[in-house]
Amino acid sequence: DVKVTQSSRYLVKRTGEKVFLECVQDMDHENMFWYRQDPGLGLRLIYFSYDVKMKEKGDIPEGYSVSREKKERFSLILESASTNQTSMYLCASSPGQVRVNQPQHFGDGTRLSIL
Amino acid sequence: GESVGLHLPTLSVQEGDNSIINCAYSNSASDYFIWYKQESGKGPQFIIDIRSNMDKRQGQRVTVLLNKTVKHLSLQIAATQPGDSAVYFCAENNAGNMLTFGGGTRLMVKP
Repeated sequence: DVKVTQSSRYLVKRTGEKVFLECVQDMDHENMFWYRQDPGLGLRLIYFSYDVKMKEKGDIPEGYSVSREKKERFSLILESASTNQTSMYLCASSPGQVRVNQPQHFGDGTRLSIL
Repeated sequence: GESVGLHLPTLSVQEGDNSIINCAYSNSASDYFIWYKQESGKGPQFIIDIRSNMDKRQGQRVTVLLNKTVKHLSLQIAATQPGDSAVYFCAENNAGNMLTFGGGTRLMVKP
């Protein structure tokens, strides 16, 4: 089975802090994704990556950046955390190039609170 | 832009009955659809998928139906069990090759 592991289940940070969310997958997938999930808004794509050192903006990239130095690891960075970034963050991965129809597999999420 | 939607935000069924969760999509270029289940405190879990060259696909106790004429997707769960209680999302792989998710339907199973 695909295993997508997010480093923290719960995280509390303060406004203005730099926050790192880590995600690791063990299936050698090329594609990795970061979403945030908010009540009433569903899942929204922040950034994705289809190869090491490659990144593409999703629908809501403002205030975030990402890093993919190794194939199995995809990091989401909040450069200067703000209260409106309090949310559930979900990481996902999928095999193959973006254009191949494959399901994305999700981690269990990090619930981030910015005080 | 175009997006996936759901008809019913909450569905309550009796244990043992069949459940049907519906989803409408608007992007006729979408060629791949997925159903996910999300239990409380967990990430979305892949249930079943279907490609646009099919109109039906069956899994274990689940069936997905695709009606491209009316742009409608449904998930049928046979003999619904308490463990099926969760939020169910449909997702479409649209022309941009990214997944667009619906808002989710909460399925509640009454014992």
